[in-house]
Amino acid sequence: EAEVAQSPRYKITEKSQAVAFWCDPISGHATLYWYRQILGQGPELLVQFQDESVVDDSQLPKDRFSAERLKGVDSTLKIQPAELGDSAMYLCASSSEQGTSYEQYFGPGTRLTVT
Amino acid sequence: GQNIDQPTEMTATEGAIVQINCTYQTSGFNGLFWYQQHAGEAPTFLSYNVLDGLEEKGRFSSFLSRSKGYSYLLLKELQMKDSASYLCAVHNYGQNFVFGPGTRLSVLP
Repeated sequence: EAEVAQSPRYKITEKSQAVAFWCDPISGHATLYWYRQILGQGPELLVQFQDESVVDDSQLPKDRFSAERLKGVDSTLKIQPAELGDSAMYLCASSSEQGTSYEQYFGPGTRLTVT
Repeated sequence: GQNIDQPTEMTATEGAIVQINCTYQTSGFNGLFWYQQHAGEAPTFLSYNVLDGLEEKGRFSSFLSRSKGYSYLLLKELQMKDSASYLCAVHNYGQNFVFGPGTRLSVLP
């Protein structure tokens, strides 16, 4: 069964350092989402791609976060510099919107700890 | 703006039935999803409602009332493995998803 891949699974970094997360969606899925989930809360959308184009990045802190999906396949989310408040789970999801199916498939996530 | 509300925590006994409510206020509503999330893991899909009414899938059922901005997830014959967080997510036109805060369910023996 096809899955969304993410790496790394865990990342510990010091504040002011740069970190990057990678996501490979299910093959053929045009839409890719990056979410941030703070412990005890629901996922918060950071950025949504349709193919290589950004559809929604209204909640992305653009002074320190950037995201790209250059060829419309895999994607990278970067934080520079990391802050203590960035400690969270970063989830990637993809969907195909075939017919009436809008189901998102989530990757295992990257748990970031900023010290 | 968009607002989704769920109870923070619920507790139920093994073998019982529990109903988790979700209320929402949003524009461009296109459907509502329920996800299950075990601690430290990614959310997994449970159900999708786009029309009013009840969708049943085994031990899990989900109900939607679009006019009332209300949904619930019904879990029957609770098992210990059902202890998890349950996330309500609204799907808007333009394919934007907004998640609620989640309800943490504890199933006790």
